[in-house]
Amino acid sequence: GQNIDQPTEMTATEGAIVQINCTYQTSGFNGLFWYQQHAGEAPTFLSYNVLDGLEEKGRFSSFLSRSKGYSYLLLKELQMKDSASYLCAVRDMAGGSYIPTFGRGTSLIVHP
Amino acid sequence: ETGVTQTPRHLVMGMTNKKSLKCEQHLGHNAMYWYKQSAKKPLELMFVYSLEERVENNSVPSRFSPECPNSSHLFLHLHTLQPEDSALYLCASSQTAATGGSGYTFGSGTRLTVV
Repeated sequence: GQNIDQPTEMTATEGAIVQINCTYQTSGFNGLFWYQQHAGEAPTFLSYNVLDGLEEKGRFSSFLSRSKGYSYLLLKELQMKDSASYLCAVRDMAGGSYIPTFGRGTSLIVHP
Repeated sequence: ETGVTQTPRHLVMGMTNKKSLKCEQHLGHNAMYWYKQSAKKPLELMFVYSLEERVENNSVPSRFSPECPNSSHLFLHLHTLQPEDSALYLCASSQTAATGGSGYTFGSGTRLTVV
């Protein structure tokens, strides 16, 4: 497997900034995805990184370092609606498949 | 509305029943997937149908049987399930199995309870 590791749970204050980390081990890295999933709802796509660096999309940014096997999702100006589970998924082509493997997800709780 | 529709949203079935889950997408995607989501566990890929690959997770028991009659529809046939099969079953689609920048589009899932 890809040994994807994310913190189980994080808490933050409304209006603050939070960084959710994801580390992984692969032998054929070919992309990393972040998804948001509210309780009882479908996961929704947030970002995709395949090259090193920072990708910014409004309040959300995603960073990748392939040499370190490390990514983070940065959420700025937190809102109560950002309380959700954040899933990291990694594509490893070593096995010949395009299908990414998901981590266990990080449950983010935003409080007033 | 996510573009991927799953029915039913909730299903309670006995261990001797036979039922089917349905998934439909009208996004023009060419790959469709079944995932199982259990509490405290990662999303687990069960099956994928795409032009590039047809993958079956060898750890999925034969009591789960997929069917993909065309690129817009996907079924998961269930028979003689066990209580540990109770979970959220998610369908997803993507442009291709190799898609990156647009990710997967997931349905809202079927919450299955086996009694």
